[in-house]
This record gives sequence, C-alpha cells and structure tokens, in this order.
Amino acid sequence: DSGVTQTPKHLITATGQRVTLRCSPRSGDLSVYWYQQSLDQGLQFLIQYYNGEERAKGNILERFSAQQFPDLHSELNLSSLELGDSALYFCASSVGSGGSETQYFGPGTRLLVL
Amino acid sequence: DQQVKQNSPSLSVQEGRISILNCDYTNSMFDYFLWYKKYPAEGPTFLISISSIKDKNEDGRFTVFLNKSAKHLSLHIVPSQPGDSAVYFCAASAYGGGATNKLIFGTGTLLAVQP
Repeated sequence: DSGVTQTPKHLITATGQRVTLRCSPRSGDLSVYWYQQSLDQGLQFLIQYYNGEERAKGNILERFSAQQFPDLHSELNLSSLELGDSALYFCASSVGSGGSETQYFGPGTRLLVL
Repeated sequence: DQQVKQNSPSLSVQEGRISILNCDYTNSMFDYFLWYKKYPAEGPTFLISISSIKDKNEDGRFTVFLNKSAKHLSLHIVPSQPGDSAVYFCAASAYGGGATNKLIFGTGTLLAVQP
C-alpha cells in the first residue's frame, strides 16, 4: 500500500458525459501528479500540482482540468468524454517538487466510455 | 518521440537466476531514474531509483546500474522469484529548467519468472 488513495476504482459512463476522479496523496506529500495509461500511449504525464498550485502540464486535453484543494487532495475533471478517453488514470504524490523525488502511485481509476 | 525506451517487451527467467531489464534514454537532461513494478489493474509500485551522479544503487535483491555515456540503465534482480513476475517500467525525470519532476515512462517489460 503506497498510501495514495484514488476513488472510484471503476467508472463506466457514456460519450459526452463529465466525470470527476479523486486522489488523496500520502500524508505529508505536497505534490500530486496525474498520469493516463492507455493501450496505445503507455503511461503519460497529464498535470502536476504543488501545494495547491499548478506546477506543470503535459499531454492534457483542454477538455480535462484538475485542481488541488487546501487539504491537498486533488480532483481530475474529464468532460465531453470520447471513446478514446477510456484508460487507466493514476495519481501519484511526492513530498515536494524538487529534483530526485520519488513518486508513489495510487491504485488507479479505470474509466470506460461507452 | 520516445525519450525512454525499453526495447524488450518481455523476458523469461528461471527462478533463482538473474533477471536483467534494460532501459535506454535520449534526453541528456534526465537526472533521476526510477524503476517501477506493475501488476495488472494495480498502480505502479516503486522499486528503486538512482541519481545521475551515481552509477550504481543497491537495495536487497535489486540493483540499478546507470551508464550516462551510453544513456543506458539496467535493473538486476538476483535471485529472481516467481513473485517478481510483473511488468517493469523504467522512468526518468529532468528537474533542471522546468522546476518539475514529471516522469517520462518507458513502454515496460513483462518479466516472467518460471518456477
């Protein structure tokens, strides 16, 4: 158990809908990262938050957004869902946002868009 | 552009023998490298890491070697156990210039340890 929790574990929805994925980092960690794992793209970095502020963006679609709240949990919002958004979404956390920091991953949310 | 490459999709090893998983990278700015183990339907589990200022790091049965001139790292597992059977991901980050340590992942190698 990494100490990172994610809910829900599974999510099935329809195209055009909006969903929210939730992540709670390890106790004491200030950075939260979101990654997407799809069959054809592997594990891809989406976005990072550090202590409530956006720190870096990766291959995140404009239909996707995220935030980190004062209690440090984070939510990833996916809207206008398409079939291709079906994937595993992982959250990771680390103590800070400096170099040489290890990220610990949650169990993931499996999203299926029908 | 795949900056982190794991060219072997799969590897089969006998229990008790050494498993060697390889990873190549192209970005010379990478300064921290990690190996994760992943079971199906679970999140990646951190195994071991190495900073670019080192060439070797050891933790129990796991040793990671870094060859910066060749832009190559490898994970050695000795002795291999059936419970080591999983997908292994190599990941790298480049902190300098971006003030972020986002990870770039390889495509993974499926390790099967035969009893």
